[in-house]
Amino acid sequence: SQTIHQWPATLVQPVGSPLSLECTVEGTSNPNLYWYRQAAGRGLQLLFYSVGIGQISSEVPQNLSASRPQDRQFILSSKKLLLSDSGFYLCAWSVFGLRNTIYFGEGSWLTVV
Amino acid sequence: AQSVTQLGSHVSVSEGALVLLRCNYSSSVPPYLFWYVQYPNQGLQLLLKYTSAATLVKGINGFEAEFKKSETSFHLTKPSAHMSDAAEYFCAVSGPNFGNEKLTFGTGTRLTIIP
Repeated sequence: SQTIHQWPATLVQPVGSPLSLECTVEGTSNPNLYWYRQAAGRGLQLLFYSVGIGQISSEVPQNLSASRPQDRQFILSSKKLLLSDSGFYLCAWSVFGLRNTIYFGEGSWLTVV
Repeated sequence: AQSVTQLGSHVSVSEGALVLLRCNYSSSVPPYLFWYVQYPNQGLQLLLKYTSAATLVKGINGFEAEFKKSETSFHLTKPSAHMSDAAEYFCAVSGPNFGNEKLTFGTGTRLTIIP
């Protein structure tokens, strides 16, 4: 069966510091990968999605970036965090043939102070 | 373009009462529709999905939803609420575009169960 791992679970970072959140999927090949953000009191916002290694699409302009160095690894990064980057970040995956079903990781809480 | 509207950001029901969470969608193509549940400080878990088969979809934890094209709705129901149902619920829509699936989520409904 497929599993998704996301880490760290909780992160407190000062303004201006870098960020790296990692996500890996096991038990499937060539998944579509996603980063969502959930800010307090708001719904889910799609930040990035990837259909293959090195293929990243950005949905929202911001100071965050994403990379996919391996088939089942997805990384969310920032060179300098802003206060507005605080939120709950969710990695997710889907596979062609599962009729658009997306499966989520457990999430990472980021607090920028 | 697709979108969903969840009516009511907060819903409270008594334990044992009917749960009804509303979702209306807008889509230019036949939609796929989903309900996800999020417990505090956790990721989203798929409750159920409609993908153009039976219009009444049964999911986990006793939930079900009915796709009504004439009303562009996909409301989530459960006959008898349990304390463990307290969570946030998200409705989502996508189109049947194979290979590059993206979901558009509603803003969520927080369900509170009153003992």
